Formats: sequence, structure tokens, C-alpha cells
Amino acid sequence: NAGVTQTPKFRVLKTGQSMTLLCAQDMNHEYMYWYRQDPGMGLRLIHYSVGEGTTAKGEVPDGYNVSRLKKQNFLLGLESAAPSQTSVYFCASSSTRDPPHYEQYFGPGTRLTVT
Amino acid sequence: LAKTTQPISMDSYEGQEVNITCSHNNIATNDYITWYQQFPSQGPRFIIQGYKTKVTNEVASLFIPADRKSSTLSLPRVSLSDTAVYYCLVGIYSGGGADGLTFGKGTHLIIQP
Repeated sequence: NAGVTQTPKFRVLKTGQSMTLLCAQDMNHEYMYWYRQDPGMGLRLIHYSVGEGTTAKGEVPDGYNVSRLKKQNFLLGLESAAPSQTSVYFCASSSTRDPPHYEQYFGPGTRLTVT
Repeated sequence: LAKTTQPISMDSYEGQEVNITCSHNNIATNDYITWYQQFPSQGPRFIIQGYKTKVTNEVASLFIPADRKSSTLSLPRVSLSDTAVYYCLVGIYSGGGADGLTFGKGTHLIIQP
């Protein structure tokens, strides 16, 4: 049981390049989330999904797209990377089986640098 | 949305009890209070959750007064390994929505020998 895994762990992009971050969970969780964390800013929610085939915007969605084609995977895409997207990205998942606040399980993070 | 206010940082010593208070004046009736812990270079980890009065688990205690406008995370006999950022969240996931459940900047707790 690996929990939540993220690929890649590190990445350096040039401005204007695109990339996709992959999040996978093996806990059969319904909900999945993408956050970014910048120094001194805490975690901010980018997008989330309440189930396969669904996505919704979070607090800071601009410049990102997501897809949830399979229940276990949640992809975060950057179509045209900008230096402002330099950050650590965390994926998380949670289950509907333990309300009211569904405990979130986090991945190890992806450190992205855009030059 | 229930906004939370926590101290930016706190210091303590090994073996002491540490109390971190979170203010949430506009907490809604259905909101729960949840605390997460984050070590450097790792994702946050769930610590404890409560609605009112007191909740205790193997890691911490959570004290919530009757008016629920604040809450206190209590860590008994801390060690160096408790040095981390602690986040207070107030809200509820309803039908999958993430309204109100923002992590904020957290409290950076530093434990000294």
C-alpha cells in the first residue's frame, strides 16, 4: 500500500514549456486535490475532484488544468509555465467513508522550478 | 468562510507541554476544527479533529470552548521531533466541496533541547 505517490519529484522548466504532474493513490479514495506551497504562504488549493470524471476550481486555479480520467489518478497540467508557478506541489486524497472532514492523505510533493 | 488566525511561530523546550491556539470567530454551526502537522519537505499529516469540548488521541488533545470561536491544540511533553508547522482548519466538506478548508500559513513550532 503506497498511499499517495507523485511523479516527478523534481522538475525544472523553461518559461512557456508545458508539463503534467501525475498523482496516484491506491486507497480507493473518491476525493483528490492539488495544492501548491510557496514560502510563507501555507498551502493553497489549486483544483480538486470529487470523483472520476469530475473536477472543480480551488483558490488559485489560473494557469493550471486538471483531469481525473481514472479514480486512482489526478493529473495537473501546466500549459505554458511561468516563473510564478515555481513552487512545491502536493497532491492529496480523501475518502467519503469518514465524514465530516474527510482526512486528507498527502503525497511527498513535487518541487517545480520555472526559469 | 470561517477564517482562522494562529500565531506565526512558537518556541518551547523538550519535555514541556505546548498549547497552540487558533481563533475562528465566524465558525459556522456545521464546521469542524481540524489540525494538521507538516515536517520540512513532507506533505501535511492529519493530527486531530473535533466539534466541541475536548478530543484526545495518542498524539494530541484538542480543546474547544462552548462558543467554538477558538480552539487549542495541546501537545504533551514535546520532543525535538515535534518541530514542525501546525495548521488549523475550520470547515466541512459537503458533497465534495472544499469551501472553507484552507490551510493558511500555520504555526511554526520550534522545540529546543
